[in-house]
Amino acid sequence: GENVEQHPSTLSVQEGDSAVIKCTYSDSASNYFPWYKQELGKRPQLIIDIRSNVGEKKDQRIAVTLNKTAKHFSLHITETQPEDSAVYFCAASIAGNTPLVFGKGTRLSVIA
Amino acid sequence: SQTIHQWPATLVQPVGSPLSLECTVEGTSNPNLYWYRQAAGRGLQLLFYSVGIGQISSEVPQNLSASRPQDRQFILSSKKLLLSDSGFYLCAWTLLGQGHYGYTFGSGTRLTVV
Repeated sequence: GENVEQHPSTLSVQEGDSAVIKCTYSDSASNYFPWYKQELGKRPQLIIDIRSNVGEKKDQRIAVTLNKTAKHFSLHITETQPEDSAVYFCAASIAGNTPLVFGKGTRLSVIA
Repeated sequence: SQTIHQWPATLVQPVGSPLSLECTVEGTSNPNLYWYRQAAGRGLQLLFYSVGIGQISSEVPQNLSASRPQDRQFILSSKKLLLSDSGFYLCAWTLLGQGHYGYTFGSGTRLTVV
């Protein structure tokens, strides 16, 4: 089955700097890669996702890139703000077929 | 619009007691439903998922079970809780048949087994 590795487990950045979180997956058949943000004590919420027919997707300060050959994808957050502080999870699945398999999460701290 | 309800929000149960957590989805039909567990400071572990009434797939063998008695209702149960069952339980839904692959999570149940 699918295995998703996520790095780093913790990340601290200064406000205004960029943050990058990386994930690798094992199943070459996976074709759907979402990212979730979970604030303390709350439910994870989808912030951006990408399908394997696309190499990059942007939404304001957030972008995700995908390298199918290397089987890795990354989340990029630019101009970080304190409210970006949260745990971020990547996930992978075969869209419409298998459940999402999540990485172990990255705790991002944005220091004002 | 679609909403997902999960209850209770918090629960403290003694070891060996039974468990029943309920999740319902409103505003949609035939959703895919999932139960995930998140241990303190850990990732999201898939426990069960269901693609239809009475159809349950188990990902992790343990003392938990799941049932889907109605289209939009998903129940997580245990006959006898263990200390290791403590965690944050999250229900989620999606509509794969409409190309909606991202999950929407419920607000979660924080279970402490004492």
